Amino acid sequence: NAGVTQTPKFQVLKTGQSMTLQCAQDMNHNSMYWYRQDPGMGLRLIYYSASEGTTDKGEVPNGYNVSRLNKREFSLRLESAAPSQTSVYFCASSGDDYYEQYFGPGTRLTVT
Amino acid sequence: AQRVTQPEKLLSVFKGAPVELKCNYSYSGSPELFWYVQYSRQRLQLLLRHISRESIKGFTADLNKGETSFHLKKPFAQEEDSAMYYCALGEYNFNKFYFGSGTKLNVKP
Repeated sequence: NAGVTQTPKFQVLKTGQSMTLQCAQDMNHNSMYWYRQDPGMGLRLIYYSASEGTTDKGEVPNGYNVSRLNKREFSLRLESAAPSQTSVYFCASSGDDYYEQYFGPGTRLTVT
Repeated sequence: AQRVTQPEKLLSVFKGAPVELKCNYSYSGSPELFWYVQYSRQRLQLLLRHISRESIKGFTADLNKGETSFHLKKPFAQEEDSAMYYCALGEYNFNKFYFGSGTKLNVKP
């Protein structure tokens, strides 16, 4: 099993450009999450999806949209990238017991 | 509001010394607390959770509701313990997790 996969690994955008970060898991988990990690801030939840077809805002949702395409896939979209969105983005999933989150390798995004 | 606070950004200890990584939380309900670890060039992974009361890799953590703390301890640090450690709090049904800012543990030979 690959676990949680994310693409791309690295991305550089210009201000105003858009892009979608892809995440997939092969563990048949219901819940999926998107976090951003900034120096000195830890991980902050952007959006989460408790099940296929549902999404909810986390701590820092502004400037982002998400799609839970199916049970496996949960994408994060930046419609108009801003330098403040320069960060490392992590996708995670968890099973029915919610106790453990499984993380992807991360996407390092730079917005210039 | 910051729900999880890790006051130390960096903690350096010598091999064999005891180590304590501090974590304090703010939550009105019954918290579910976790420690996650990220070794160099590896993914973030669960180290332990308070509900299981386990010792993983020699680490333990006790939930102190009176002091709202969940400090991570190990009596004798090893070089392979060097990593970034995150304390996390899960809300009811764990639809939301709150992570602290992390503490980098450096174990010197």
